[in-house]
Amino acid sequence: QIQLVQSGAEVKKPGASVKVSCKASGYTFTNYGISWVRQAPGQGLEWMGWISPYNGNTNYAQKLQGRLTMTTDTSTSTAYMELRSLRSDDTAVYYCARDPGSGRGFDYWGQGTLVTVSS
Amino acid sequence: QSVLTQPPSASGTPGQRVTISCSGSSSNIGTNTVNWYRQLPGTAPKLLISSNDQRPSGVPDRFSGSKSGTSASLAISGLQSEDEADYYCAAWDDSLNGWVFGGGTKLTVL
Repeated sequence: QIQLVQSGAEVKKPGASVKVSCKASGYTFTNYGISWVRQAPGQGLEWMGWISPYNGNTNYAQKLQGRLTMTTDTSTSTAYMELRSLRSDDTAVYYCARDPGSGRGFDYWGQGTLVTVSS
Repeated sequence: QSVLTQPPSASGTPGQRVTISCSGSSSNIGTNTVNWYRQLPGTAPKLLISSNDQRPSGVPDRFSGSKSGTSASLAISGLQSEDEADYYCAAWDDSLNGWVFGGGTKLTVL
């Protein structure tokens, strides 16, 4: 069965960086994009960006450009999301999701990773 | 403020039909397809409706989606207690070159 399994919760200080992993299984990793979506406590969903595991192409949300890097490791079918210069308003649950493209939406999601930014 | 506009709450009694609206603009819903997600408390979102009106495998036919112009709607018929959740619409925005979401609608089954 298709699964996306994310790394565990993180606590970071303001100004630090965090790197969250998302290991895919049950499908051909390079055939689908991976999008990252975050959700601040009690808030709605915010799309962060997308990466193609096939060729490494990325597309980041404008507000996060300069602080965000997405990568993949096709040998382990794992996607990574790194966010730098963390601020308190980056505190959120971060989700990876499989993105089949063509506007069809995100059909499988990871379980989420809570990142807490606090001094 | 979310780019797509949803009512913050909706409610209905078991067996009823409820609809949730999602309003956007020409750069998102007016040009691109709409997807709907359901999020149960403490869990990851789940794709409910794809490409305006397509139900992914396993989604009951009680759920249906539609789009007209720059607005879309999610309808749930035969409301059940387990339908209590947050519902989000989403669409690609050509101006922002990214996905945008509605603010979410909390559905309560009375």
